[in-house]
Amino acid sequence: EVVLTQSPGTLSLSPGERATLSCRASQSVSSSYLAWHQQKPGQAPRLLIYGTSSRATGIPDRFSGGGSGTDFTLTISRLEPEDFAVYFCQQYGSSPLTFGGGTKVDIK
Amino acid sequence: QVQLVQSGAEVKKPGASVKVSCKASGYTFTGFYMHWVRQAPGQGLEWMGWINPNSGGTNYAQKFQGWVTMTRDTSISTAYMELSRLTSDDTAVYYCARGTVSQGNDYWGQGTLVTVSS
Repeated sequence: EVVLTQSPGTLSLSPGERATLSCRASQSVSSSYLAWHQQKPGQAPRLLIYGTSSRATGIPDRFSGGGSGTDFTLTISRLEPEDFAVYFCQQYGSSPLTFGGGTKVDIK
Repeated sequence: QVQLVQSGAEVKKPGASVKVSCKASGYTFTGFYMHWVRQAPGQGLEWMGWINPNSGGTNYAQKFQGWVTMTRDTSISTAYMELSRLTSDDTAVYYCARGTVSQGNDYWGQGTLVTVSS
C-alpha cells in the first residue's frame, strides 16, 4: 500500500500570498496517477489536479501541480478567499487507492 | 452535466447494516467505475473499493473484504454500497465518486452521513 504523507498539517496564510503544499509517497508513484482534491467544510471533495499537473475542468490557473517519483507539490500562486480549505493528495495508480491526511489552508 | 445524487442520512444501531445509493446522470453509467470513499468526523478520506457497473465486478480494499458489498442496477443508473455489522467506528460520511483511468475520481456525490449509535 502506498502511504501518502502531507505537510504541513496546517498552513496559515493571507489572501494574495503563495501556498505550497507537499505530498510525499512511501514508494514511487507514476506521475500519471497523482491527484489533488479540495474540500470545504460540509462539502464533498472536488478534483483540482490529476496526472500530477493537469487542471480539472473549470479549475483556475492559479492552481498548479508538479513533482515526480515520491515528491509532489500543489501550488496556489495567489490565495483567493475561496481557496481556504483542506487539500488532499491521492494516488490512483495502484490498489488500494490512497489519500494523504490533508493540509488545511487557513486565514492568517 | 455529470451528477451523482446519494441517498439521505441514516441512523443505525450497532450490528445493523446500511445500504447507501448513488444515482448517476449526465453520462453513460456503464462506462465508468464507481468508487466509494468514507470520511469519519474530522478525519481524512478512506477508499473502500470500486464496482464496474458494466460487468458488476468489484475490487474492495482489504480492510473491508467480507464486510462491504457493492452492487448496481444499470436500469436506473444507480450504484449501491452496503456495509454490515456496523459499529460506532463506522460513523462517517460515505461518498460515491466516479472513477476514470486518466483523471481518477473526477466527480463526487454529495455524501451520506451514516451514524451508528445505540
